[in-house]
Amino acid sequence: DAGVIQSPRHEVTEMGQEVTLRCKPISGHNSLFWYRQTMMRGLELLIYFNNNVPIDDSGMPEDRFSAKMPNASFSTLKIQPSEPRDSAVYFCASNRRTSGETDTQYFGPGTRLTVL
Amino acid sequence: GQQLNQSPQSMFIQEGEDVSMNCTSSSIFNTWLWYKQDPGEGPVLLIALYKAGELTSNGRLTAQFGTTRKDSFLNISASIPSDVGIYFCAGRAHSGYSTLTFGKGTMLLVSP
Repeated sequence: DAGVIQSPRHEVTEMGQEVTLRCKPISGHNSLFWYRQTMMRGLELLIYFNNNVPIDDSGMPEDRFSAKMPNASFSTLKIQPSEPRDSAVYFCASNRRTSGETDTQYFGPGTRLTVL
Repeated sequence: GQQLNQSPQSMFIQEGEDVSMNCTSSSIFNTWLWYKQDPGEGPVLLIALYKAGELTSNGRLTAQFGTTRKDSFLNISASIPSDVGIYFCAGRAHSGYSTLTFGKGTMLLVSP
């Protein structure tokens, strides 16, 4: 079975440009998470969706960041305009929430974003 | 917000040695997870713990859910070069829609 798919794997852009990161969760999973990883701050949850609905976006750094999940098999994270401090690895993760348990989140390979 | 303190930050050991790392929290968690991240990849779940005092093994890895519910430990026995990577603890405080809080990670380097 395919795991979580993210694209692009690497993105280099200039400050001020719009960046769109894409994620395809594992088929059958109904929760999707966007994380940002940096050396200084580690793994930070940005936003998560359950059944395509944003549940908690308190981790989104500012209005320049937005995320959508138009259907169960696709999500985007957009940064507009991008800034050098947005440089990080962005991970998408998914899981299938059923009553009573696990948070076995499956992570994608990540998108390494560099903003010059 | 909740924070997890993970230590050590990094370890450099010889192949065959045993390794221990731990996570502590100022608040109670009802789930502890341990992930490993290989270079250029996303974290992969190694062990999940759901009860205070629980001790769970996965091959050479053993993890424990502390009895106070504020800490967890991961041990790796007889390390091998492919154990190299970053190990993260993660905790969940509540059931329902609660999310995971991650530690900063322990970077493990193993010398052949």
